[in-house]
Amino acid sequence: LAKTTQPISMDSYEGQEVNITCSHNNIATNDYITWYQQFPSQGPRFIIQGYKTKVTNEVASLFIPADRKSSTLSLPRVSLSDTAVYYCLVGEEGNNRLAFGKGNQVVVIP
Amino acid sequence: GAGVSQSPSNKVTEKGKDVELRCDPISGHTALYWYRQSLGQGLEFLIYFQGNSAPDKSGLPSDRFSAERTGGSVSTLTIQRTQQEDSAVYLCASSLTAGGVGTDTQYFGPGTRLTVL
Repeated sequence: LAKTTQPISMDSYEGQEVNITCSHNNIATNDYITWYQQFPSQGPRFIIQGYKTKVTNEVASLFIPADRKSSTLSLPRVSLSDTAVYYCLVGEEGNNRLAFGKGNQVVVIP
Repeated sequence: GAGVSQSPSNKVTEKGKDVELRCDPISGHTALYWYRQSLGQGLEFLIYFQGNSAPDKSGLPSDRFSAERTGGSVSTLTIQRTQQEDSAVYLCASSLTAGGVGTDTQYFGPGTRLTVL
């Protein structure tokens, strides 16, 4: 099973860039890497997805090295509303079971 | 457009009773997922439906748990003889297609908070 490992929590000040790294050493060839954001009392919501190199959208950037054994979600200039749990998700080839990481609690401090 | 809806939003039950949780996916989404999230924990995959294929039930924690998806749309998660350790938020998600695992964006509902006394 392709498991993911993330830091448990991290604090950041408003306006700073936040980088969250996820390890997925057993990622399969056809797997994509997806990140979700979850606010308290809500279901997770999609942030960004990538396969390799770099992906950028209006919310975040995702950096994936050539070996794809890790990925880094980058949130530019965070605000208080970015306080949430961030999950790294890797699809498991040949298996419909989907493994969320334990998530990273990001707290943005004024 | 309408997102994924779940009902009830909260359910309090007594130990030993059966409960049914409902999920209405986004119209047209062929894949439907159930997850469980205990307090302060990550998401635990439970079961996955894709179209009319037999569901992958391997994530269900015990035989007290079962799920159905009727007509390729609405899904019901049933927990029989509930135990206190079943207390959690049960989240449902749907995606448009699931041709490649992990490649489709999952849209989550607000969840059902189950409390077993």
